[in-house]
Amino acid sequence: SQTIHQWPATLVQPVGSPLSLECTVEGTSNPNLYWYRQAAGRGLQLLFYSVGIGQISSEVPQNLSASRPQDRQFILSSKKLLLSDSGFYLCAWSAGQSISYEQYFGPGTRLTVT
Amino acid sequence: AQKITQTQPGMFVQEKEAVTLDCTYDTSDPSYGLFWYKQPSSGEMIFLIYQGSYDQQNATEGRYSLNFQKARKSANLVISASQLGDSAMYFCAMRDSNDYKLSFGAGTTVTVRA
Repeated sequence: SQTIHQWPATLVQPVGSPLSLECTVEGTSNPNLYWYRQAAGRGLQLLFYSVGIGQISSEVPQNLSASRPQDRQFILSSKKLLLSDSGFYLCAWSAGQSISYEQYFGPGTRLTVT
Repeated sequence: AQKITQTQPGMFVQEKEAVTLDCTYDTSDPSYGLFWYKQPSSGEMIFLIYQGSYDQQNATEGRYSLNFQKARKSANLVISASQLGDSAMYFCAMRDSNDYKLSFGAGTTVTVRA
């Protein structure tokens, strides 16, 4: 069966510090990968998605970036965090591009920028 | 443009009763998929049910059913025989054939009372 991991689970970082969040998927190959952010009590906002190694599409211009160095690894980064980067970050994967493919989410990372 | 609308920010339901969560959507693509996710307080997004735009019958998954009214562009989730463990936030989401991402509604918080 497929599983998706995210770490760390929680993170408190000062403004201006760097960020690296990691997501890995097991039990599948060539997944579509997604990074979402959720503000408190709100819906999910797509940040990045990737359909293959080295292929990253950005949905929202910001100080965040994403990379996919391996087939089942997706990394979210920032060189300098802003207060507005605080939120709940969720990684997700889907099996392909069909509209019927649901996305499966990881446990998430709660980021607080102080 | 907002594609998914959930107008109920919060709902209370008595244990063992049914509850309907409203969702309307907007798309000009004839091919699309509709999804419902549950987010308990732990934060993880749990996939519940899927409805395709060409599906002739309403989707059902255990105690979850989807009341799909295509002409009205609505995809309401019905939870039957509510349990205390159903207390969570519920999100409606949509993906059309031109998009990789899921567009999420703002969510509805359901609280089940004993």
